[in-house]
Amino acid sequence: EAQVTQNPRYLITVTGKKLTVTCSQNMNHEYMSWYRQDPGLGLRQIYYSMNVEVTDKGDVPEGYKVSRKEKRNFPLILESPSPNQTSLYFCASSFGDLGDTQYFGPGTRLTVL
Amino acid sequence: AQTVTQSQPEMSVQEAETVTLSCTYDTSESNYYLFWYKQPPSRQMILVIRQEAYKQQNATENRFSVNFQKAAKSFSLKISDSQLGDTAMYFCAFMKLSFYNQGGKLIFGQGTELSVKP
Repeated sequence: EAQVTQNPRYLITVTGKKLTVTCSQNMNHEYMSWYRQDPGLGLRQIYYSMNVEVTDKGDVPEGYKVSRKEKRNFPLILESPSPNQTSLYFCASSFGDLGDTQYFGPGTRLTVL
Repeated sequence: AQTVTQSQPEMSVQEAETVTLSCTYDTSESNYYLFWYKQPPSRQMILVIRQEAYKQQNATENRFSVNFQKAAKSFSLKISDSQLGDTAMYFCAFMKLSFYNQGGKLIFGQGTELSVKP
């Protein structure tokens, strides 16, 4: 089954404790993105990747890192989480970037205390 | 910069009736896509319908159709014969098609929470 998976689905952590949210897709997609969803703001792009070892900042990259060492995986790293990073996070992937359908993961609910 | 606005935070409709969700956007781009996504309580993001800006014909997908008014920069979603399973948050989204579009970045509106009542 074609899908995007994320782990963990729920995470409660404390300020400053490094964490990684994993994302994996099995569709051989070139493009992957991370979004965060906040009430009243919709979803906003954090980082994106156009291929292995090619990543760039989205609209709200502060406090986040990513890597793309393999085509299927695109982890999101919070090296020193803060309470303002409490949010719902989505990973998405697509074959191309010109209107191609984006497939979203199931979301990760992160709470930083 | 592009912006997407959904002015209706919440709406409700009776089962089997028709409802229209509004979306306006602001852009100077001439080539772009518009989308409606559904997010049920499971939080999964599900693509409902998409519209290419260069196509004048409005997109339809079964009970879902759009009214795309390019000059007015309006992109409303009509749901006919509403069903209980249509209860969800609905997001309007924009994607520009220029060379540098941040990997196909979607710009989302704030969302409209739709409740379908029995």
